[in-house]
Amino acid sequence: GESVGLHLPTLSVQEGDNSIINCAYSNSASDYFIWYKQESGKGPQFIIDIRSNMDKRQGQRVTVLLNKTVKHLSLQIAATQPGDSAVYFCAENIRGDYKLSFGAGTTVTVRA
Amino acid sequence: GAVVSQHPSWVICKSGTSVKIECRSLDFQATTMFWYRQFPKQSLMLMATSNEGSKATYEQGVEKDKFLINHASLTLSTLTVTSAHPEDSSFYICSAFKSGGPLHFGNGTRLTVT
Repeated sequence: GESVGLHLPTLSVQEGDNSIINCAYSNSASDYFIWYKQESGKGPQFIIDIRSNMDKRQGQRVTVLLNKTVKHLSLQIAATQPGDSAVYFCAENIRGDYKLSFGAGTTVTVRA
Repeated sequence: GAVVSQHPSWVICKSGTSVKIECRSLDFQATTMFWYRQFPKQSLMLMATSNEGSKATYEQGVEKDKFLINHASLTLSTLTVTSAHPEDSSFYICSAFKSGGPLHFGNGTRLTVT
């Protein structure tokens, strides 16, 4: 499944499929980006980060892509599992001081 | 395991009372911690930056006299919501930066003001 548009709030994906979550950032001066996963009633959990001098970074089952030309960030989750159901936030750092600015968030629901 | 710990995880208080929330960095020192607030189905909004040994810096629109922050040690920051009102009911989350790693968040404190 894939979230399209900049602020689609929900994404439903079949278990085992790949998920793509999109995020647009506003400030071209942002130089550090992070994806967080937040489960209900909990704080954000770090997934993966990327700096502006890179355009791709891979982790375990996750890949983050950064397109600075259009100020777009995406998170790809391979072989989505029920435990991946959560709200996913992208965050950008503008001032280099770890004051993160969070996006609106995308709710991912994994169908069995 | 957890890197940042928050306490309490939830609290209910009466309108007009004050509530203190603690944020601790576990096995690392954090000269800077951040406090965020999150309303239901919304994103996280930065409230203030807690600086060890100096005054906190607040984001625009956040009342410093209402949200008192104390960062008295390198592992502890506290947020006190003074004279709480129902509109202060929210999910308060702290975070800390561990050297060489990303910003880590606590598990949040659910504040309900009745």
